Amino acid sequence: QKEVEQNSGPLSVPEGAIASLNCTYSDRVSQSFFWYRQYSGKSPELIMSIYSNGDKEDGRFTAQLNKASQYVSLLIRDSQPSDSATYLCAVKISLSYGGSQGNLIFGKGTKLSVKP
Amino acid sequence: ETGVTQTPRHLVMGMTNKKSLKCEQHLGHNAMYWYKQSAKKPLELMFVYSLEERVENNSVPSRFSPECPNSSHLFLHLHTLQPEDSALYLCASSQEIALAGARSADTQYFGPGTRLTVL
Repeated sequence: QKEVEQNSGPLSVPEGAIASLNCTYSDRVSQSFFWYRQYSGKSPELIMSIYSNGDKEDGRFTAQLNKASQYVSLLIRDSQPSDSATYLCAVKISLSYGGSQGNLIFGKGTKLSVKP
Repeated sequence: ETGVTQTPRHLVMGMTNKKSLKCEQHLGHNAMYWYKQSAKKPLELMFVYSLEERVENNSVPSRFSPECPNSSHLFLHLHTLQPEDSALYLCASSQEIALAGARSADTQYFGPGTRLTVL
């Protein structure tokens, strides 16, 4: 059973602080990892994708990937109240020749609350 | 706007009704997906149409029936649903590449969802 685990939260941080969201996955050969943000009552929107070990930065967001530890994280710098949402970690399951492919497995999401 | 639209946005139906959800993508993608999102649960993949091939999640009840007439349109036909089927139903699309027997799907983009309530 391929799984993606996240702390459900809520994670509460003050405005201006760094929010750190973590995700672990069980499929050792997964190659693609995604962070989606979902506001209450809305659909998920892509924040970051990461494919290689290390850090990837985009504005206030940094995704970190450690394949050896099967761990991916999202850091949000200078957190704003508008960042308050549920953050979904998604992992693309390993490809198999001739078989099912490329589907995303989602975690349950971490609810982030940024207090003014 | 992600380029993926869904109608209706809200639907209330009785257990004996038949209804359909519609999804349309304007991104030129070749793969489309139906997901179910219930409270306190992860997004659950229901169906995938990819490179004109349908891939199913065998745990989806037969009261849900997908239809994909072309690469831009996707339907989910609903009949004799149960109250526990009440959820947010999300459509997504992506561009999938077939290489040497394997497939690689790029980022999935989601529509706004249909909030379904079954009475």
